[in-house]
Amino acid sequence: GENVEQHPSTLSVQEGDSAVIKCTYSDSASNYFPWYKQELGKRPQLIIDIRSNVGEKKDQRIAVTLNKTAKHFSLHITETQPEDSAVYFCAAPGGGNKLTFGTGTQLKVEL
Amino acid sequence: ETGVTQTPRHLVMGMTNKKSLKCEQHLGHNAMYWYKQSAKKPLELMFVYSLEERVENNSVPSRFSPECPNSSHLFLHLHTLQPEDSALYLCASSHEWGLARPEAFFGQGTRLTVV
Repeated sequence: GENVEQHPSTLSVQEGDSAVIKCTYSDSASNYFPWYKQELGKRPQLIIDIRSNVGEKKDQRIAVTLNKTAKHFSLHITETQPEDSAVYFCAAPGGGNKLTFGTGTQLKVEL
Repeated sequence: ETGVTQTPRHLVMGMTNKKSLKCEQHLGHNAMYWYKQSAKKPLELMFVYSLEERVENNSVPSRFSPECPNSSHLFLHLHTLQPEDSALYLCASSHEWGLARPEAFFGQGTRLTVV
C-alpha cells in the first residue's frame, strides 16, 4: 500500500513570509496528489491538487510542485496571511481507490 | 455545505453502549470513507467502500463495524468501545478513481467521547 510522509509537523512563519510543506510517497502508481486545509473545528477541504503529468501548478498564493522521480511533492504558500493558519494534509492514492494522508502540518502565521 | 452530512455531531457513550454514526452524501459519488482523527494520528483511514462494496479495512478493531446500504449512505456501528477510541470520526466521499478529479469531500465529523 501507499505510505505518505509529511514534514514538518509544525511550522511557524511571520506574516508575509513563505511556507513550504513537503511530502514523500512510496507507490510509484500514484498519479494524483491533493492538498487539504483544515481550519480549527472545521472539516478538511481541498485547496489544490496536481496530477502526475505536470510538475507544477499554481493558484494565486499557493502552488504545488511534484517530482515523480524522487517521489515527493510540496506545497508552497507565498505572502502568508493569518487566515492561512490551519493544519495542512497531503495525500496520495497509490494504485487503488483510497487516499492515504500524511500526518499533517500545523501552520501558524504570526503577526 | 459540501454535501456530506454526518450525524450526530457529538456523541458521548459508555464502554458498554452500542451506538451508530451516520453519513449521507448526495453528490453522486460512489466511494465513501471513514477516517479517524486524533492527536496521535491526524487522519487515519478506517474503511473504504466503493460501489457499496468494502475494499479496505486497514485492520480496524472489530468493535467498529461499517455498513453501506447504498452509495449515498454510510454507517459506523460502535460497540464496547475503549476510551482510546475517543476521537473525531470523519466521513468522506469521492468519485470512483479514474474519473475527473477524485476530490474527497468531508463531512463535519462526529466528536466521539468514550467514558
